[in-house]
This record gives sequence, structure tokens and C-alpha cells, in this order.
Amino acid sequence: GAGVSQTPSNKVTEKGKYVELRCDPISGHTALYWYRQSLGQGPEFLIYFQGTGAADDSGLPNDRFFAVRPEGSVSTLKIQRTERGDSAVYLCASSTGRNYEQYFGPGTRLTVT
Amino acid sequence: DAKTTQPNSMESNEEEPVHLPCNHSTISGTDYIHWYRQLPSQGPEYVIHGLTSNVNNRMASLAIAEDRKSSTLILHRATLRDAAVYYCILFYSGGSNYKLTFGKGTLLTVNP
Repeated sequence: GAGVSQTPSNKVTEKGKYVELRCDPISGHTALYWYRQSLGQGPEFLIYFQGTGAADDSGLPNDRFFAVRPEGSVSTLKIQRTERGDSAVYLCASSTGRNYEQYFGPGTRLTVT
Repeated sequence: DAKTTQPNSMESNEEEPVHLPCNHSTISGTDYIHWYRQLPSQGPEYVIHGLTSNVNNRMASLAIAEDRKSSTLILHRATLRDAAVYYCILFYSGGSNYKLTFGKGTLLTVNP
């Protein structure tokens, strides 16, 4: 069956610009997670959705980062006024519930020039 | 969060067994041991998890020490496709702890 998909696969943007990263979870998965992975490091948690609401956004680095999941399915991670330090691979994962194994998408590689 | 310690890298030959160790001396009684792996240019992939007893699935086996302070992921016959970073993660499946806390993992190289 279809796994988690993320678009775009690559995004190059200039410093100061706004970007949106999209995640399509596995159908029926109620839990959705965003992680960020810098080169040579393991993924770091950003935000968790249970249904439409953000149950935990404690991993978002600052208020330039925001994520939504308006209908409890697709989620969008939004980054305002991008900085070079935001360059990383942004990973999305979904699961059937918060205590179950997470299924990851291939990630979006964001490069801020 | 309880922490895990893994070797930075390991090497194996194709079709030989691989034992990937993980130390978690501060594990609590309610922590599950999860393993994920990440192939090059892909997102992490769930491998296996366990609490106290050894576990087997189609991908691997998980051997958990009796005192639960360490565990070993066993790939019975390594293939070139098993070359990846392997992450050992403690996961408290009760309460509100649902996020995975990744370390740097073990980079497994498989030689043909």
C-alpha cells in the first residue's frame, strides 16, 4: 500500500523567504509527526499531531516554524523568514496511535542559500 | 529521557550474522526498546521492539538482557541492503511520551 509521501523532495530557497513542506500520511493514521535531521545527526522531534490538533509542539525551534493539519490528514510545515541554519532534511511520520511504530516518509531536503 | 549508547560504526560481511549492541543502563520498567534503521537517502524504518522477552520478526531478532540494561539487534544473514544507520531508542509507551528520541546510531557497513 501507499506509504507516507512528502513534497517537494528537494527545496532550495533564499534566506528570508517563506517555504511550505507537505506531508501525506498513510490513510487512516491518526498520529502525525514532524522531525528534522541535520547532516550526521539522528532525526530531532519537532511537532506531533493527534487528529487535527497539535498535541505537542515543544520541538519547534522558534516562532518562525508553524505546522497545521486542518482535516486530520495532510499536514503542512511552514517556515517563515528562512535562515541558513534551517537547512536540513525534514521528515514526516505517521502511526495508528501515539504508542505504535512510526512510518516515515522519504523527507524533504531544504537548502537555504 | 533515558539514554542509549551504541558504537559509532560496525562492519560485517555479506551473508554473515551481525550483532548490533545497545546499552541502556538507566532504562525504567515501562520503557520499551525500539530499533529503527535508516538506509541512505531514506527516512527511518521500524525494525523491531521489545520489553523483556526476546523477539523475532521477518527482519531481525532482538535479544534483551535479563536486567534489561542492554540489548542486541541480530541480523541473521546480512545483505548489502542492510547497510544503514541503526538506532536503538527507549520508548515509554504510556502517558504522553510518543516522540522518538534518536541518538547518532550505529553505521553498519556490509562488505560483499
